[in-house]
Amino acid sequence: GIQVEQSPPDLILQEGANSTLRCNFSDSVNNLQWFHQNPWGQLINLFYIPSGTKQNGRLSATTVATERYSLLYISSSQTTDSGVYFCAVAVIYNQGGKLIFGQGTELSVKP
Amino acid sequence: NAGVTQTPKFQVLKTGQSMTLQCAQDMNHNSMYWYRQDPGMGLRLIYYSASEGTTDKGEVPNGYNVSRLNKREFSLRLESAAPSQTSVYFCASHPRRLRDFGNTEAFFGQGTRLTVV
Repeated sequence: GIQVEQSPPDLILQEGANSTLRCNFSDSVNNLQWFHQNPWGQLINLFYIPSGTKQNGRLSATTVATERYSLLYISSSQTTDSGVYFCAVAVIYNQGGKLIFGQGTELSVKP
Repeated sequence: NAGVTQTPKFQVLKTGQSMTLQCAQDMNHNSMYWYRQDPGMGLRLIYYSASEGTTDKGEVPNGYNVSRLNKREFSLRLESAAPSQTSVYFCASHPRRLRDFGNTEAFFGQGTRLTVV
């Protein structure tokens, strides 16, 4: 099946720093989502981005589907950005589709 | 607008006990999913339901059963709980079936933290 790999597995930043998280996937996908899991365990949708670039405030994401990777940029990081960031790829299966998750990048932003 | 609602939020079971995790969505979505999250392993798909009346196994189905009761509800049952099933369980839903799956996003519930002792 399709493999989804995220890097780095862990990241520690000082508040105000920028960072780039990467997601590689092993096969063609129909869509890709980025999620933030906050310290309370909630999964929050950040982007769904099958290709191209999207921006939302200090966060932006780029997916290059032909090269099978996606990047999540966090600028001017804040302590509230801490948590685990997951990418998940959508694949069609039988009469529907499903999301396959990477193992996540755990981000800790220090004040 | 509640989105995806899971119950209970926390549960402790003894080995061998059974229980059902409930999930309901109010967004008229076709597809629903159950995932489990374990430390360092991301989210792994247990079962999914592409539409009302259909269910399929995911990556880690052993020890679980599911029921797609209607379009809104998708339950996950542990018939005889084992310590290896200690995990956080997430339910998710997605609006589309086959053709349009890539065009919209999935939504997740807040999770059920299950401990089996």
